[in-house]
Amino acid sequence: AQSVTQLDSHVSVSEGTPVLLRCNYSSSYSPSLFWYVQHPNKGLQLLLKYTSAATLVKGINGFEAEFKKSETSFHLTKPSAHMSDAAEYFCVVTPYNNNDMRFGAGTRLTVKP
Amino acid sequence: DSGVTQTPKHLITATGQRVTLRCSPRSGDLSVYWYQQSLDQGLQFLIQYYNGEERAKGNILERFSAQQFPDLHSELNLSSLELGDSALYFCASSVGTRGANVLTFGAGSRLTVL
Repeated sequence: AQSVTQLDSHVSVSEGTPVLLRCNYSSSYSPSLFWYVQHPNKGLQLLLKYTSAATLVKGINGFEAEFKKSETSFHLTKPSAHMSDAAEYFCVVTPYNNNDMRFGAGTRLTVKP
Repeated sequence: DSGVTQTPKHLITATGQRVTLRCSPRSGDLSVYWYQQSLDQGLQFLIQYYNGEERAKGNILERFSAQQFPDLHSELNLSSLELGDSALYFCASSVGTRGANVLTFGAGSRLTVL
């Protein structure tokens, strides 16, 4: 079985400062890991995914995440926050061989001017 | 535009009623998923279909049912509606059923039950 825990329900940063959204996972199998973003009143959009290739994954809009097996973590980072990054972010884990996707509870990112 | 089309965008109805939500997957995708998003429950997986057949079931109530048609569009039927069914219902699609497949989400159908 797999599960995912997003360690912060709300993160607030100032524009231009780094973003760190934390995600820990549990999986019995080699997992695929994803980060999705949801802007207000919109559907979820894929930011990036890890599927056992390079451990540092680059996504859209300057986001990246690092898969750390020893720490069972897949934290999302961005060097410099932009106002348009304000949204809800979801970490997702799934086994490599099926779509039993488990979503985290989400982290709401607020960006202050 | 993600390529996944959901209708209607908004729906207001009364308790005890029945509604149908429709989803057209992205061209080429064979899998369709339904999710419910509410403030208290977060994002909950309801059900998945692959090429017309039910593939996985999540926290879907017995009052809810779904199907995927030969043209691959899907419908989610919600009956005997209760106030607590008010939520955003998302449809997503993917090419197949393997874990590495990316889900493409629609914009959602917002259901309000009064």
